[in-house]
Amino acid sequence: SQTIHQWPATLVQPVGSPLSLECTVEGTSNPNLYWYRQAAGRGLQLLFYSVGIGQISSEVPQNLSASRPQDRQFILSSKKLLLSDSGFYLCAWSVREGKAFFGQGTRLTVV
Amino acid sequence: GENVEQHPSTLSVQEGDSAVIKCTYSDSASNYFPWYKQELGKRPQLIIDIRSNVGEKKDQRIAVTLNKTAKHFSLHITETQPEDSAVYFCAALISGGSYIPTFGRGTSLIVHP
Repeated sequence: SQTIHQWPATLVQPVGSPLSLECTVEGTSNPNLYWYRQAAGRGLQLLFYSVGIGQISSEVPQNLSASRPQDRQFILSSKKLLLSDSGFYLCAWSVREGKAFFGQGTRLTVV
Repeated sequence: GENVEQHPSTLSVQEGDSAVIKCTYSDSASNYFPWYKQELGKRPQLIIDIRSNVGEKKDQRIAVTLNKTAKHFSLHITETQPEDSAVYFCAALISGGSYIPTFGRGTSLIVHP
């Protein structure tokens, strides 16, 4: 069966520090991969998606970046965090028939 | 691209009542419409979905209806229970095509005991 791992679950980082969130998927090949951010009580904001290794599409211009070094690995990064980067970050994957599955999420607080 | 509108943003009901959440989409090529439930602090999870070749699908107390002509679909929850309280998201996408989901903004359902 397919599973998705996302870590860490919680992170507190100072302003200006770097960020690296990792997500890996098991049990499927060549999935679409996604990074979403969710502010408190708000909807799912699509940040990046990837349809294949090395292929990244950015939906929102900001100080975040994403990379897909392997088929089932998706990384969200920042060189310098801002206070406004705080939120609940969700990794997700989907395959051609359409169903999407989310990781457990990372609650990031920038202080 | 696809645009999904979801209403209402907040829905408050008494336990045992029914709840209806509505979504409209813009891209007539969309053919797969999933619904996700997100409990507080947790990840969204798929609860029911419908494909464009059917008009209605039921799973116990939840059902989804689709009107392709009008480009809208709805989630129906009957006999609501406090554990139904959560944020619900609809989505639309082209299954077999780009299959990148476009989500609605979410509906916060509150079921009062």
